[in-house]
Amino acid sequence: GENVEQHPSTLSVQEGDSAVIKCTYSDSASNYFPWYKQELGKRPQLIIDIRSNVGEKKDQRIAVTLNKTAKHFSLHITETQPEDSAVYFCAARRVGDNRLAFGKGNQVVVIP
Amino acid sequence: DVKVTQSSRYLVKRTGEKVFLECVQDMDHENMFWYRQDPGLGLRLIYFSYDVKMKEKGDIPEGYSVSREKKERFSLILESASTNQTSMYLCASKTGNTNYGYTFGSGTRLTVV
Repeated sequence: GENVEQHPSTLSVQEGDSAVIKCTYSDSASNYFPWYKQELGKRPQLIIDIRSNVGEKKDQRIAVTLNKTAKHFSLHITETQPEDSAVYFCAARRVGDNRLAFGKGNQVVVIP
Repeated sequence: DVKVTQSSRYLVKRTGEKVFLECVQDMDHENMFWYRQDPGLGLRLIYFSYDVKMKEKGDIPEGYSVSREKKERFSLILESASTNQTSMYLCASKTGNTNYGYTFGSGTRLTVV
């Protein structure tokens, strides 16, 4: 099955700086890559996703890039704010499969 | 607007008890999933269902079973709770179209003593 890995496990950034989280996946048949944000004590929520026919997608301060050749995708958060502090999960889905394979999550801490 | 509801936020059960975790979604989604979330291990798939009365094992089904008698409800059953099943349990659902993400419930934190 699909194996998704995230790096780094913990990331601390100064408020206003950028944060980048990278994920790698193993199955070249995967074609859908969502990112979830989980604030403390809350449910994971979808914040952005990208499909394999697109190389980059942006939504305000967050963006995701996909490199299909290298089988990795990254979440970019610009101008970080304290409310960006959370655990971020990346995931991947194979063509024709409804299941998501999740990475282990990254704890992002934004230091005011 | 809560769309995936898990009946209990916190549960404390005794070892050996039979435990039911309930999940209900109001989005008419075909697909429903149960995950457990543990520190350092991320989200691990226990069971999933693509349709009423249909169930498939995920990556860690041992010690669990599920029931889906109605489209909107997916129940996770711990036949005989053990302390290593102490965890956060998350239910999720999605539409049948593969290129959409999940909607998660708020989670049930289960402690087995």
